[in-house]
This record gives sequence, structure tokens and C-alpha cells, in this order.
Amino acid sequence: NAGVTQTPKFQVLKTGQSMTLQCAQDMNHNSMYWYRQDPGMGLRLIYYSASEGTTDKGEVPNGYNVSRLNKREFSLRLESAAPSQTSVYFCASSEAGLGDSPLHFGNGTRLTVT
Amino acid sequence: AQKITQTQPGMFVQEKEAVTLDCTYDTSDPSYGLFWYKQPSSGEMIFLIYQGSYDQQNATEGRYSLNFQKARKSANLVISASQLGDSAMYFCAMRETRRAQKLVFGQGTRLTINP
Repeated sequence: NAGVTQTPKFQVLKTGQSMTLQCAQDMNHNSMYWYRQDPGMGLRLIYYSASEGTTDKGEVPNGYNVSRLNKREFSLRLESAAPSQTSVYFCASSEAGLGDSPLHFGNGTRLTVT
Repeated sequence: AQKITQTQPGMFVQEKEAVTLDCTYDTSDPSYGLFWYKQPSSGEMIFLIYQGSYDQQNATEGRYSLNFQKARKSANLVISASQLGDSAMYFCAMRETRRAQKLVFGQGTRLTINP
């Protein structure tokens, strides 16, 4: 049972470099999400995709772009990485934003920007 | 704006004791859902329990139960008979029905179970 798979698990970037975090889910979920987790701040929503073909901003979208490639895949791109983007990034999916459907999370990507 | 508050940054409990993790929330939406997640030191996020705002009874899942007090806007997680493996970060989260895509998290409580 793969669930939600994120790659890579770890990444170190230099300021100004770009990279794409990949996420795929095999649960046939319509909705997918990207969160970042910083110490003492819980998880904050960066972007989400309610369904294939749609994306919307969350709480902290600045400096990021996303692509919902198909129903399974939702990628997060940092065009020009900054030290403030050092964080742990989580991808998640759920059934179509229903009130009682929990988010299923990937194992996270630990990103360090120097 | 919706808001989740977890006032206990850290808690220490003896093994086999019950523990209550506090969560209060703020919303003007009459329809919402409350979730608890566990994050062990390995880092993954594990869904524990869900409570809907219109649910008549408190949710229970094994050793986890949710003490839901709607008028006080609190949704405390109760873990009975704590085990060493319960040591982890615990996050409370809320989703308003009118903003069904947005699950907002509290800052978390680090629970340590002592043998």
C-alpha cells in the first residue's frame, strides 16, 4: 500500500537554485495538498488542488508554484530558493474535500536552503 | 478566520496513565470537522480521530477519544492507558465546510511518555 509518495526525501539547495518536489497518490483521491512544517508553527497550507485541472493558493503560496499533472500527481516547484524556504514539506491527498475525509500524508521532504 | 489553538507545547505523563491534550478552535461556520493527527519522531503524519460539529456523540477510536464541547469550542484528545509508543507530536486540525479544501492545523503538543 503505497498511499502518498513524495520524492526526494532530503534536498539541499543553494540560494537561487530551483527544484521540483514530486508527489503521487494511488488512492484515487480527487484533492491534493502541499503543506510546509516549521518548528513551532504546525503545518501551513501552501497550495491545494481540489480536483484534476484546478489549483488554488493556501496560506503561504509566495515563492512556490504547483502543477496538477493528472489525478495522481501534484508537484511543487521552487523557482528561486531562499533560506526562508528551509522546511519540511508534506504532500497530502483526500477524497473530494468532504468534511469528514481525513488527509493522507506522504512521509515528507526535508529541504535545506543555504 | 478559522483558528486552532493548542496551549500545551509539551506534556510529560507516566506510562499507563490517561492523558488529555487540549485544543480550542474559533470559527463562525456552523458546520465543521475536527481532526487529530500524530507525528512520531520518524516524521510521518498519522490520522487518529475525527469529530463532526453535528455529531451527537464524542468520537472514539480504540484508546483515543475526543472530548468535544461545542459551546466551549474545545476538542480535547484523550488517550487512555498511555504507552511508550504514544510519545510523539500531536496536532489538532479543523476544516470548515464552506472552506472544505482547507485543513488548518494547530501548533502541536509534544507528548512524552515516561516508563
